[in-house]
Amino acid sequence: AQSVTQPDIHITVSEGASLELRCNYSYGATPYLFWYVQSPGQGLQLLLKYFSGDTLVQGIKGFEAEFKRSQSSFNLRKPSVHWSDAAEYFCAVGARGGATNKLIFGTGTLLAVQP
Amino acid sequence: DAGITQSPRYKITETGRQVTLMCHQTWSHSYMFWYRQDLGHGLRLIYYSAAADITDKGEVPDGYVVSRSKTENFPLTLESATRSQTSVYFCASSDGTGIYNEQFFGPGTRLTVL
Repeated sequence: AQSVTQPDIHITVSEGASLELRCNYSYGATPYLFWYVQSPGQGLQLLLKYFSGDTLVQGIKGFEAEFKRSQSSFNLRKPSVHWSDAAEYFCAVGARGGATNKLIFGTGTLLAVQP
Repeated sequence: DAGITQSPRYKITETGRQVTLMCHQTWSHSYMFWYRQDLGHGLRLIYYSAAADITDKGEVPDGYVVSRSKTENFPLTLESATRSQTSVYFCASSDGTGIYNEQFFGPGTRLTVL
């Protein structure tokens, strides 16, 4: 069965520091991978997605993620964190089920940014 | 306003009562989804719909009912609310049939069952 693991429940970084959020997936075929961000009191917004091709994908707000098939990972990175990046981040894998598209989400990583 | 909206944003109800959460999207997306978000579980799919009058169960459908008489609306009904259904509920929509299509999320409904 498809699954997504985000090992870090909570991470705190200093403003201006680099960030890496971990995501590991389990999927039998070519994975379709997503990172979403949820700001406090808001719905989820897509940061970036990977389907094929270049394993380093760029997203919005200066985020990037690298797909590593050998490690079953899709870690999210940002070189310099801003206070506005404080939010919860969800990794998801697209899974085929019936005739539609479904997303399997990880449990999320809550990011706090220190001044 | 264009986009995907949910109502109410907050709801408190009592055990055993019926409650309906509304979801409306203006993009004419064919696919719509209902998720619940609980601490330690992330988002879990309750029901989804590929088109009007076509619905299917997700991961945690028990205790919920959905309908989709119009493309733009996808209400979620808790027929007899239980405390375990206290959660934040998100509606989402997507166009196309592929798993590569982005899902657009509403702002969520925070439901408390006393």
